[in-house]
Amino acid sequence: TQLLEQSPQFLSIQEGENLTVYCNSSSVFSSLQWYRQEPGEGPVLLVTVVTGGEVKKLKRLTFQFGDARKDSSLHITAAQPGDTGLYLCAGDFGSGAGSYQLTFGKGTKLSVIP
Amino acid sequence: EAGVVQSPRYKIIEKKQPVAFWCNPISGHNTLYWYLQNLGQGPELLIRYENEEAVDDSQLPKDRFSAERLKGVDSTLKIQPAELGDSAVYLCASSFGRFNEQYFGPGTRLTVT
Repeated sequence: TQLLEQSPQFLSIQEGENLTVYCNSSSVFSSLQWYRQEPGEGPVLLVTVVTGGEVKKLKRLTFQFGDARKDSSLHITAAQPGDTGLYLCAGDFGSGAGSYQLTFGKGTKLSVIP
Repeated sequence: EAGVVQSPRYKIIEKKQPVAFWCNPISGHNTLYWYLQNLGQGPELLIRYENEEAVDDSQLPKDRFSAERLKGVDSTLKIQPAELGDSAVYLCASSFGRFNEQYFGPGTRLTVT
């Protein structure tokens, strides 16, 4: 089983602050996905990154895939209370061409205080 | 487009009793997954279906868990008998496309007393 580590595990910040959460592995991902999960709901896909060094933006969220495709980060600018939730990364360790080994991290629980 | 539907949303049972969860994936999604999620943890895969075929059930505790996906659409996950340690949220997801991006249902929260 491939291991995927997320940090920090918990994060509590004031509204308006910036933050970054991380997702790391010792193995190469063929692709990586970020999800956000709110209490009582299933995770919702935010973004998929595929190419090493890739940067994607979703409003105030910026996602970066490491050059070696072993790590990723999620940066939130000017956090809002609506950003509160559990942020999960999920890495596919498959070799492509139809193979599949998606593994979820344990998540970063973010609380944005008004 | 309707999302992934799961029922029931909540279930409380006594240990040793059976329980079943139902999932209806997004129309057209051939791949269906069942995950277990403990409090404060990420989802852990139990079983993955491609159409009606279970292609990865290596993490499914087969002594007490079973699943089926007849006709390659709806799926049912069953636990018999349930144990206290089975208390968790059971998530169903479906996907379509190259990167297996997951579309999750709201989950069933199981409490075993």
